[in-house]
Amino acid sequence: NAGVTQTPKFRVLKTGQSMTLLCAQDMNHEYMYWYRQDPGMGLRLIHYSVGEGTTAKGEVPDGYNVSRLKKQNFLLGLESAAPSQTSVYFCASSYGAGIGNQPQHFGDGTRLSIL
Amino acid sequence: TQLLEQSPQFLSIQEGENLTVYCNSSSVFSSLQWYRQEPGEGPVLLVTVVTGGEVKKLKRLTFQFGDARKDSSLHITAAQPGDTGLYLCAGGPQLSFGAGTTVTVRA
Repeated sequence: NAGVTQTPKFRVLKTGQSMTLLCAQDMNHEYMYWYRQDPGMGLRLIHYSVGEGTTAKGEVPDGYNVSRLKKQNFLLGLESAAPSQTSVYFCASSYGAGIGNQPQHFGDGTRLSIL
Repeated sequence: TQLLEQSPQFLSIQEGENLTVYCNSSSVFSSLQWYRQEPGEGPVLLVTVVTGGEVKKLKRLTFQFGDARKDSSLHITAAQPGDTGLYLCAGGPQLSFGAGTTVTVRA
């Protein structure tokens, strides 16, 4: 059972380049999330999706776009990468919303450096 | 704005000692979740507390939710090197995370 799989695991970009991070889950979860984790800041929600074809902004959405064309996949795009987007990005999924008793299942992260 | 404050930020103890980490907020939460994150991996859920005053035990880990549902604590008894990691609390409608407490247990 793979759970939540993120690709790639590492990436180095130059300022202004674009890229897409892929998240795939095999648990048939409705909700999916993208976070970034920076030292001393904890995890901050970028965008999330409550179902196929839907997306919503989180706490820090600027500079990112997302798409949920298939239930099992959630893509995070950086159109024009900036050094401030250097971070570790985590994808998560849950059966329902993160509140209450529904746990979030996380991938192992993508380490992204923008030069 | 970070709704959840965790303390201390870092904690280093000897194997066999006890430790407590805290998660505090000025807001009331319907529930709080605790996660542990090891280097190079994503967070893994430890427990969810949902009732004010609730105490949950997971082997040597004891979690408590404050009576007013604004704070929570995690107590580890007789810590082991395997308890080393980043402990995160989370709550709220968009599951806001605290910055975490980095725990190091020395053998």
